[in-house]
Amino acid sequence: AQSVTQLDSQVPVFEEAPVELRCNYSSSVSVYLFWYVQYPNQGLQLLLKYLSGSTLVESINGFEAEFNKSQTSFHLRKPSVHISDTAEYFCAVTSSGYSTLTFGKGTMLLVSP
Amino acid sequence: DAGITQSPRHKVTETGTPVTLRCHQTENHRYMYWYRQDPGHGLRLIHYSYGVKDTDKGEVSDGYSVSRSKTEDFLLTLESATSSQTSVYFCASRTGNTEAFFGQGTRLTVV
Repeated sequence: AQSVTQLDSQVPVFEEAPVELRCNYSSSVSVYLFWYVQYPNQGLQLLLKYLSGSTLVESINGFEAEFNKSQTSFHLRKPSVHISDTAEYFCAVTSSGYSTLTFGKGTMLLVSP
Repeated sequence: DAGITQSPRHKVTETGTPVTLRCHQTENHRYMYWYRQDPGHGLRLIHYSYGVKDTDKGEVSDGYSVSRSKTEDFLLTLESATSSQTSVYFCASRTGNTEAFFGQGTRLTVV
């Protein structure tokens, strides 16, 4: 079975501060990991993904995530957030031989001036 | 962006009535999914399909059925809507071990 735990339901930060959104997964086989972002009243958009290769993956808008197999984690980080980063972020996992993606419960990132 | 459209985008229905939500994708993706999103629960899988006429249950399948007669269409039916099925429903599709692409969602209210 596969599962995802997002440890924080809500993360408030000030603009230009760094942020880390935590994600831990459980799976017994090779994993593929994803971060999605959801803006209000919209669908989910892919932010970044780990399929293989380099354990550090980056998005075009400054987010990065590191796949850590020993700690079964895929935390999302940004060194300096903007007001426009306010959204809900979902971590997801799938594994070799699985047809489905399993999502965490989401973390609401609230960026204030 | 992948071409995934959901219809309707909003619907209000009465308890006990049947409801069908439609998902249409233009990417020839093999896998299609229906999720529901509720506060505090994230996205929960209702049903999914791994090919035409091939479907399976997810974690919250009670009260829902699905059909996939063509690669591009995946229908979700609430046989007899209940207030607990008030939610936002998302369709997604993907091919292989890649990311899923999502539709814009359907907001369903059962009164």
